[in-house]
Amino acid sequence: AQTVTQSQPEMSVQEAETVTLSCTYDTSESDYYLFWYKQPPSRQMILVIRQEAYKQQNATENRFSVNFQKAAKSFSLKISDSQLGDAAMYFCAYRGNNNAGNMLTFGGGTRLMVKP
Amino acid sequence: KAGVTQTPRYLIKTRGQQVTLSCSPISGHRSVSWYQQTPGQGLQFLFEYFSETQRNKGNFPGRFSGRQFSNSRSEMNVSTLELGDSALYLCASSLTETYEQYFGPGTRLTVT
Repeated sequence: AQTVTQSQPEMSVQEAETVTLSCTYDTSESDYYLFWYKQPPSRQMILVIRQEAYKQQNATENRFSVNFQKAAKSFSLKISDSQLGDAAMYFCAYRGNNNAGNMLTFGGGTRLMVKP
Repeated sequence: KAGVTQTPRYLIKTRGQQVTLSCSPISGHRSVSWYQQTPGQGLQFLFEYFSETQRNKGNFPGRFSGRQFSNSRSEMNVSTLELGDSALYLCASSLTETYEQYFGPGTRLTVT
C-alpha cells in the first residue's frame, strides 16, 4: 500500500519570505500523480499544484513550485513571497495510475502559519 | 460553474442512529469520491463512484455505504453510528480519473 509522510506538523514563515514544505511517499508503482492541497480554516480543500510522475520538469503555479525527486520519492512544495492568505493546512497526496481510479492517499498535513 | 455542494453542512446524531449525507458534483463531473477527516486518523478514502458504479472502496466497515444516481449526485450512509464516526466528511468530484478532484466544503458530523 502507498503511504505519504509529511514530517513537519507545523511551519511558520514571515510574510514575503519563502518556505518549503516536505513530503515523502512510498510506492512500488512507476506511474502516478502527486498533489498538494491547501485547506484554510474555512475547511474547503483547494488544489494547489499537481505533478505527473512521468514528467521530469517540476510543476509551477505562480508563487508555488515543487521539487520532485522521483528516485528519492520526495515531493516538496515551495511557496515564494508568502502571503497572509497562505496560512492553512497543506496536504500532500498520492494517486496511482493503475486502475486506482481517483483514490487519493494523503499525508498527515503541515500547518503553515504566516507572520506579518 | 457551481462548485461541489454538500448537504447538510452540520449534523448532530446520537449513537446507534443512521445518517445520510449528500453530495452534488460539479456539472458534467462523473466521478464522486468520499473522504473522512478526523484529527486522529487524518484524511482517509471511503469510496469512489463513477457512472453509478462503485469503483473503489477504502478500509471502512460495512456500516459505511454509498450510492450514485444517474445525475451523478451521490449519497453516503452510515448506519449504527458510533462516537468514532464523528468527523468531517468531504466529497470530491472530477471529470474522470485523469482530472483533478474538486472538493466540497464538507459535512461536519457529531455523534453524541
